[in-house]
Amino acid sequence: EIVMTQSPGTLSVSPGERVTLSCRASQSVGSHLAWYQRKPGQAPRLLIYGASTRATGIPARFSGSGSGTEFTLTVSALQSEDFAVYYCQQYDKWLYTFGQGTKLQIK
Amino acid sequence: QMQLVESGGGLVKPGGSLTLSCADSGFTFSDHYMSWIRQAPGKGLEWVSYISTSSSFTTSADSVKGRFTVSRDNAKRSLYLRMNSLRVEDTGVYFCVKVMRQFGVIIPVAMDWGQGTLVTVSS
Repeated sequence: EIVMTQSPGTLSVSPGERVTLSCRASQSVGSHLAWYQRKPGQAPRLLIYGASTRATGIPARFSGSGSGTEFTLTVSALQSEDFAVYYCQQYDKWLYTFGQGTKLQIK
Repeated sequence: QMQLVESGGGLVKPGGSLTLSCADSGFTFSDHYMSWIRQAPGKGLEWVSYISTSSSFTTSADSVKGRFTVSRDNAKRSLYLRMNSLRVEDTGVYFCVKVMRQFGVIIPVAMDWGQGTLVTVSS
């Protein structure tokens, strides 16, 4: 099983700031990496797949990068609706696995 | 807008059984692989099971293999998860998800999610 590790666990930031979240895979997953956003009381929403391709309707302030074992999700100019928990997921090999999540909270 | 609606969750005793259902109000259900993903209280997301469009291929996480069975009925645009021999650790919210398909290629990411149904296994 590929273990996905996200850092940090919690990030306190102010609206308008730029933030970068990290995700590391225990072995190479190529570019088979997705990011999701989850807000309280809502289902997760797909943000990024293929490490860097935004899903339909996702604002351009969300961007993903990386390959192999190191990946990042960057949110430029944080807006109030961006405060949520973010998960990465590898889909290179079954069992598809998620990171434990990074919580973005308002500073 | 496509919508996935789960049902069938509830409280069940350890060792008991439950069947979850997911209805798709969209018109592309039969074109997509489908999956169940769960989240235990205070824990992360776990991909539980995966089924192809024609049901010819299914797979499950080792944690549920032999106990959970995923199935689908394309005519009813519905996905199911039969859960037997339930354990306390199966407690959580179960999400029905539609797997992405792009230009005929399956991309195993969850493009659409239902709101989830809560399963509680407790004596």
